[in-house]
Amino acid sequence: GESVGLHLPTLSVQEGDNSIINCAYSNSASDYFIWYKQESGKGPQFIIDIRSNMDKRQGQRVTVLLNKTVKHLSLQIAATQPGDSAVYFCAENTETSYDKVIFGPGTSLSVIP
Amino acid sequence: DTEVTQTPKHLVMGMTNKKSLKCEQHMGHRAMYWYKQKAKKPPELMFVYSYEKLSINESVPSRFSPECPNSSLLNLHLHALQPEDSALYLCASSQDGQVVPLHFGNGTRLTVT
Repeated sequence: GESVGLHLPTLSVQEGDNSIINCAYSNSASDYFIWYKQESGKGPQFIIDIRSNMDKRQGQRVTVLLNKTVKHLSLQIAATQPGDSAVYFCAENTETSYDKVIFGPGTSLSVIP
Repeated sequence: DTEVTQTPKHLVMGMTNKKSLKCEQHMGHRAMYWYKQKAKKPPELMFVYSYEKLSINESVPSRFSPECPNSSLLNLHLHALQPEDSALYLCASSQDGQVVPLHFGNGTRLTVT
């Protein structure tokens, strides 16, 4: 079936190091991918997105990489800070089903001061 | 602060009670969503409204009844819930007709006793 999964459920990094959060997806028809950050007690917050016609997109301290050949998505966070501690979800949908967003299981990122 | 406002923040209800969750956005978005999130799990889509009409119902039990009185408001009416319905209920909105990120509220933490 359609699913979005993650390789690592938890990740601990030292403050200042770079973080890499991975995501695998199985629906080859997916053409839009989003990373969300969810802090404790809050709703998911948009971080960055990428469309299937791209393989890399950069934001402020974050980079998303898309490898459509192996159906793999990653989120790189540069110089990780304590405020980055949260659960990160990748999500996907398609142009033909744009209102049906499917979330992956999530990765919990802990930043060690 | 989120631009999607959900009330109440917390709700405790018995299995025979009737209650409603409310969601409001003033971003001019024409698509609104209800998601359910259990602890340490990703959000699961329940309902989608597009231009105030129900466009997606993910086979949600009838004890959950959504309502969209106007383009800014979304309600979720609850009746005869079960303890396993205890969860965080998230509302989101987006521009309709295109693949764009969802804007989430901070949710209502529901406990069914």
